[in-house]
Amino acid sequence: EVQLVQSGAEVKKPGESLKISCKGSGYSFSDYWIGWVRQMPGKGLEWMGIIYPGDSDIRYSPSFQGHVTMSTDKSTNTAYLQWSSLKPSDTAMYFCARQFRQVPDYWGQGTLVTVSS
Amino acid sequence: QSVLTQPPSVSGAPGQRVTISCSGSSSNVGAGYDVHWFQQFPGTAPKLLISRNTNRPAGVPDRFSGSRSGTSASLAITGLQAEDEADYYCQSFDTTVSGSWVFGGGTKLTVL
Repeated sequence: EVQLVQSGAEVKKPGESLKISCKGSGYSFSDYWIGWVRQMPGKGLEWMGIIYPGDSDIRYSPSFQGHVTMSTDKSTNTAYLQWSSLKPSDTAMYFCARQFRQVPDYWGQGTLVTVSS
Repeated sequence: QSVLTQPPSVSGAPGQRVTISCSGSSSNVGAGYDVHWFQQFPGTAPKLLISRNTNRPAGVPDRFSGSRSGTSASLAITGLQAEDEADYYCQSFDTTVSGSWVFGGGTKLTVL
């Protein structure tokens, strides 16, 4: 069974760093792109970028380029999304999703990030 | 402002048929990219409802159907049920950024 399990909710202060994770199982992790999606409170879905674990090819949305970093660890079948300096506007739910033949078919349960002083 | 345009809300009585539109442009749906639809309940992850314009993944009732024509796509729900009340999003790809996903702004379906 394909599963993406994300790390738990985080509460951080502005300026702090953060790395959240998305662990895949039930399929060949290296062979499928992993996308990240932001959902701000009460708002819609926004594509942040996508990474291919096989060779770490990354495509960032211009809206998020330079503010987040995507990475993967093939040895643990885990994808990561990190911030070096959080802002209150980063408060949102973050989802990872597997892309299979251009279809985001399986999604993680989401990680809620709250940034507040 | 979302790249794909959806109505903010639709509603219907139990048993009725509703449709949700998704309008794109020549850089996404009009470029030939498939449209996918997702259903999202509050506090949960989006769930794939329709893939590649018209295909239902296993377990999705045949009350849900999709279509695509030109730069637009539609999701139809027949025999509306109370448990269909959720947010619905369309998604496609865009040539603006290689590999990029684009979403509609989402449509809140209310079952009256």
